[in-house]
Amino acid sequence: NAGVMQNPRHLVRRRGQEARLRCSPMKGHSHVYWYRQLPEEGLKFMVYLQKENIIDESGMPKERFSAEFPKEGPSILRIQQVVRGDSAAYFCASPRATGELFFGEGSRLTVL
Amino acid sequence: LAKTTQPISMDSYEGQEVNITCSHNNIATNDYITWYQQFPSQGPRFIIQGYKTKVTNEVASLFIPADRKSSTLSLPRVSLSDTAVYYCLVGDTGFQKLVFGTGTRLLVSP
Repeated sequence: NAGVMQNPRHLVRRRGQEARLRCSPMKGHSHVYWYRQLPEEGLKFMVYLQKENIIDESGMPKERFSAEFPKEGPSILRIQQVVRGDSAAYFCASPRATGELFFGEGSRLTVL
Repeated sequence: LAKTTQPISMDSYEGQEVNITCSHNNIATNDYITWYQQFPSQGPRFIIQGYKTKVTNEVASLFIPADRKSSTLSLPRVSLSDTAVYYCLVGDTGFQKLVFGTGTRLLVSP
């Protein structure tokens, strides 16, 4: 998984606060995926982004969640007014042209 | 998007060969089949990818029948460290939404 950097690795928030998760894809890559994984569950697709463009956000909850990938800097997944059900691991992945995904180590959000 | 179906869990012992089958009945002509491995508290890791027949690398083999409606990941002589969740993913190599199935939880015992 070398090359895809996610931070923070662990984040604790109280209900109602905001959480910002960052992802820097592999060098030279301009696309990122975000996935959410609840405890003991599989990976759920959230959003697929290209720099300055959202390609597919069909997996994003309609409220409180947003994602961006600016021209400069990392991709950011933003969760407003967090609730306990948002506690999960959030993974970012950087795709190769062959379709192979390189994942980061994830950001683990805990909502108190 | 091709939907995948895998067994939820499998048990094995050290030294045995493990075969995990994935069904993808509505696979499209341009779709490839990719398998990932995930350990607890880590991101998934690419294992192997194939289009048809057989693919082998240093870690595993992937068998794909002629109709491509299923695929089998074969892990030779598993060890305790192969205990993980294995995901089958089907999709075009072009940039697109990639949806993971439920995965197969493999437990290797001594």
